[in-house]
Amino acid sequence: GAVVSQHPSWVICKSGTSVKIECRSLDFQATTMFWYRQFPKQSLMLMATSNEGSKATYEQGVEKDKFLINHASLTLSTLTVTSAHPEDSSFYICSAREQGWGAFFGQGTRLTVV
Amino acid sequence: GQQLNQSPQSMFIQEGEDVSMNCTSSSIFNTWLWYKQEPGEGPVLLIALYKAGELTSNGRLTAQFGITRKDSFLNISASIPSDVGIYFCAGQRNEKLTFGTGTRLTIIP
Repeated sequence: GAVVSQHPSWVICKSGTSVKIECRSLDFQATTMFWYRQFPKQSLMLMATSNEGSKATYEQGVEKDKFLINHASLTLSTLTVTSAHPEDSSFYICSAREQGWGAFFGQGTRLTVV
Repeated sequence: GQQLNQSPQSMFIQEGEDVSMNCTSSSIFNTWLWYKQEPGEGPVLLIALYKAGELTSNGRLTAQFGITRKDSFLNISASIPSDVGIYFCAGQRNEKLTFGTGTRLTIIP
């Protein structure tokens, strides 16, 4: 199957700072990538759809100015959590879909804001 | 956001037993996917189903795409310790995935 790499795997940051998470498709090109958030013992909730070369599409209730998404190339999307607060602590996961296959996920990034 | 109804929520079974879980939705999906997630990791794709009525196997795993396109089931035969984890179904429509609530599988030694 296709490989999606996410970096970093975990990050601890101070409240008020910004954190960038990278998502790369390693062996295929992805015009669309997706960002999810997962709270402990819960399912994945879609935050936004990242479109290469255009603006991301955010799900209802997700602040676009809080969660900045950039999809600058066919293999890289980034999610920046701006002015992070403790309530932003969560497990963030990206996915990319290879044509003809299902969606493949990165290994996730655990963000802890202290 | 919307979530699919997945059951059971958790299962405690003995090694060697078969496992069955299912997912239902009030709306139609074009594709059904089954994932397994282990602690601290992203979900790993197990099986993808693309046609209503399709029955697909992957080793000891078998999944079916319901005829109505509103449901799917996953069976695991002869469970082994490494089957432990959380299983999620996901329905796909227009490239977006909607996930089920998850089934936590525990194997009793």
